[in-house]
Amino acid sequence: QKEVEQNSGPLSVPEGAIASLNCTYSDRGSQSFFWYRQYSGKSPELIMFIYSNGDKEDGRFTAQLNKASQYVSLLIRDSQPSDSATYLCAVPTNTGNQFYFGTGTSLTVIP
Amino acid sequence: KAGVTQTPRYLIKTRGQQVTLSCSPISGHRSVSWYQQTPGQGLQFLFEYFSETQRNKGNFPGRFSGRQFSNSRSEMNVSTLELGDSALYLCASSSQGFLEQYFGPGTRLTVT
Repeated sequence: QKEVEQNSGPLSVPEGAIASLNCTYSDRGSQSFFWYRQYSGKSPELIMFIYSNGDKEDGRFTAQLNKASQYVSLLIRDSQPSDSATYLCAVPTNTGNQFYFGTGTSLTVIP
Repeated sequence: KAGVTQTPRYLIKTRGQQVTLSCSPISGHRSVSWYQQTPGQGLQFLFEYFSETQRNKGNFPGRFSGRQFSNSRSEMNVSTLELGDSALYLCASSSQGFLEQYFGPGTRLTVT
């Protein structure tokens, strides 16, 4: 089992819809969870991160954690064509000495 | 503030050679991490340096090494290059380790 797993997609949603991206992690002791966005040919950029103590909302983005099932989700409300990118989930180990990325989910928002 | 810079942006090397990549972090950032990105494996953590010390290391062979200088600039070295080392190498800087990492544009290494 990989440390962080994501459905590679592609995930297609119409403009204005909610896009839901999921990520599962293996280290039950992980304390923080990160979502990055990577446009084609560009480097990853941090969208948001959450700690194990709660969900977080930032504008159109909401990150949610389900500790019991060991998955993290990213919801994008009112999806825009500019949201079309690959979304990467990343989780440091409990000891914080390694940082694992999922392989990413490709999202396409259809105008 | 200037962003993270990486040089060179593109590199072609032959199997068996060695290569050195450079990364200049955002001013004031003392943590620099290196990652390898390939289509098959995705983004994989190589190592992290903080104040000239390697603080964390991923699961890569000893052919991959790095260092950090007193001005926080970092270099990564790969010796005895293999075809499988062809990848995009990204560095990321942060003021707090893995939190809020800012990635550079990457160095595209092709090994022939």
